[in-house]
Amino acid sequence: GNSVTQMEGPVTLSEEAFLTINCTYTATGYPSLFWYVQYPGEGLQLLLKATKADDKGSNKGFEATYRKETTSFHLEKGSVQVSDSAVYFCALGEYGNKLVFGAGTILRVKS
Amino acid sequence: DSGVTQTPKHLITATGQRVTLRCSPRSGDLSVYWYQQSLDQGLQFLIQYYNGEERAKGNILERFSAQQFPDLHSELNLSSLELGDSALYFCASALGSGLGTGANVLTFGAGSRLTVL
Repeated sequence: GNSVTQMEGPVTLSEEAFLTINCTYTATGYPSLFWYVQYPGEGLQLLLKATKADDKGSNKGFEATYRKETTSFHLEKGSVQVSDSAVYFCALGEYGNKLVFGAGTILRVKS
Repeated sequence: DSGVTQTPKHLITATGQRVTLRCSPRSGDLSVYWYQQSLDQGLQFLIQYYNGEERAKGNILERFSAQQFPDLHSELNLSSLELGDSALYFCASALGSGLGTGANVLTFGAGSRLTVL
């Protein structure tokens, strides 16, 4: 079946540091790919998405590029803020809009 | 506020009991999805309804059932509860049924935290 693998956390960074959270997937066909973010005590919010190979999703300074050749969708941000501290989930979309999630990566940003 | 409303936010109950979790989807959305988030299993898809009909089943136990009503709200019923059922249960909604690439965005509620003692 389809699956998503994310780098394990927690990832701890200082404010203004560069962020990369790795995500790779296994799927039949070419699914849509998503990054969702979960702030403490809240539900998941869509951060960005990409629907086909070489698409770049971007939002709030975060970016991720759909790489078919490496089956990857790594999340990056050039300069993180304390307010970015959250859990980040990589996911792929299956038939019927069902999402298959990675395990999540905790990000902690220190001032 | 995502527009998806889940109640109750927190629920504490005992083993063997039955509980009902409720979800009101975002206005205009016809699909409702239920997910379970636990420390050991992560986020797992349970079940999907579209316009009142069951569309897909995931890793949902036989002790669990759900339905979507004519006003499109959904309920997830959990019975004969076990300690391992303690988790955060999320409801999400989407406009369409997702018959296709799965590119439609799901909007999640804040979740219902169930603790079974």
